[in-house]
Amino acid sequence: AQSVSQHNHHVILSEAASLELGCNYSYGGTVNLFWYVQYPGQHLQLLLKYFSGDPLVKGIKGFEAEFIKSKFSFNLRKPSVQWSDTAEYFCAVKANAGKSTFGDGTTLTVKP
Amino acid sequence: ETGVTQTPRHLVMGMTNKKSLKCEQHLGHNAMYWYKQSAKKPLELMFVYSLEERVENNSVPSRFSPECPNSSHLFLHLHTLQPEDSALYLCASSQEGGLVGANVLTFGAGSRLTVL
Repeated sequence: AQSVSQHNHHVILSEAASLELGCNYSYGGTVNLFWYVQYPGQHLQLLLKYFSGDPLVKGIKGFEAEFIKSKFSFNLRKPSVQWSDTAEYFCAVKANAGKSTFGDGTTLTVKP
Repeated sequence: ETGVTQTPRHLVMGMTNKKSLKCEQHLGHNAMYWYKQSAKKPLELMFVYSLEERVENNSVPSRFSPECPNSSHLFLHLHTLQPEDSALYLCASSQEGGLVGANVLTFGAGSRLTVL
């Protein structure tokens, strides 16, 4: 069975700091990879996804993630965070014809 | 609005009550899901319906009973719940298949359930 591990449960940054949230998964086959975000009081929504091709994918609001197959990782990055990036971030993995498995989530707090 | 609408947004019920959560999607997707989101726990997949047939049931207690009358509607019937069932219940939909762009989950806002 596939599993997803997010290394940081709570990250606190000041505005303009750089962000990297770790995500590792365990599954030996082909996967689709996702980052979802849940802003306070809002629904879960897609931030970015990787299906195939260029392993560096760009999402909304300046976020990007890099798929490193050899490390089974899909870390999320942003060069300069803003107060409005305060949210909970979920990494998810979906094997072909399988269900999406989510990590525990990382709460990001950005101090103004 | 995401195209996935859940009602009610908040529900308080006693352990002996029977209630239902409703989900409706307006996206033309062919799969619908129920997830449970509890504090400090990963999202737990409860049920998956694909083309109106239940294709997954993750060992969910029988006090939760899903129903999918058509591809746009999904219900979660609740009966004799326990306080530990208090959580945010999320409905999602997706278009399953081989096309690029498929398999992305679109979530509703959730139904916050409190069991007294």
